[in-house]
Amino acid sequence: GAVVSQHPSWVICKSGTSVKIECRSLDFQATTMFWYRQFPKQSLMLMATSNEGSKATYEQGVEKDKFLINHASLTLSTLTVTSAHPEDSSFYICSARGTPGNEQFFGPGTRLTVL
Amino acid sequence: GDSVTQMEGPVTLSEEAFLTINCTYTATGYPSLFWYVQYPGEGLQLLLKATKADDKGSNKGFEATYRKETTSFHLEKGSVQVSDSAVYFCALSPPRGGTASKLTFGTGTRLQVTL
Repeated sequence: GAVVSQHPSWVICKSGTSVKIECRSLDFQATTMFWYRQFPKQSLMLMATSNEGSKATYEQGVEKDKFLINHASLTLSTLTVTSAHPEDSSFYICSARGTPGNEQFFGPGTRLTVL
Repeated sequence: GDSVTQMEGPVTLSEEAFLTINCTYTATGYPSLFWYVQYPGEGLQLLLKATKADDKGSNKGFEATYRKETTSFHLEKGSVQVSDSAVYFCALSPPRGGTASKLTFGTGTRLQVTL
């Protein structure tokens, strides 16, 4: 199947700093990318859906100014956690979809720890 | 809203034992149902799916049957192997939606198979 990578796989940062997480589709063009967040022992929660070249659509309760999503190319989407705080510590997972109706392929996730 | 409930893990089994991981859902209409598997250090992978009532999804010896009357989609395997050790996620998408649609996940169940 198609491969999606995430970088970094884990990151530790100080409170108040911003952190950028990259999601790349390695062998296909992703017209849509999804960003999920997973708390320990909880399910994956969809944060936002981004289509290449347009603004992301955020799920209810997700602060768009806090979690900046950019999908500037067909192989790369980035999630920037701005002014991170300890409560933002979580596991962030992206997925990518080639064309409408195709399968979502998931990245391995990024663990963010905010001190 | 839609929701998925999975049995809590971890589930620890000896090799060649029978596996059942329970999954029930709440949704309007007839959602599509999925099982995903996540091996250590890797992204979620689609294991099997069913799109209508009484459908049976199967792959790699795993099976799950879409039971509308009990709103369930339990995962089963007759004889597990050490290589099946992973986290298993039950998920659903809107009616007639595939994995490309918005997915609602359960909390995941960790399976540990020992020799």
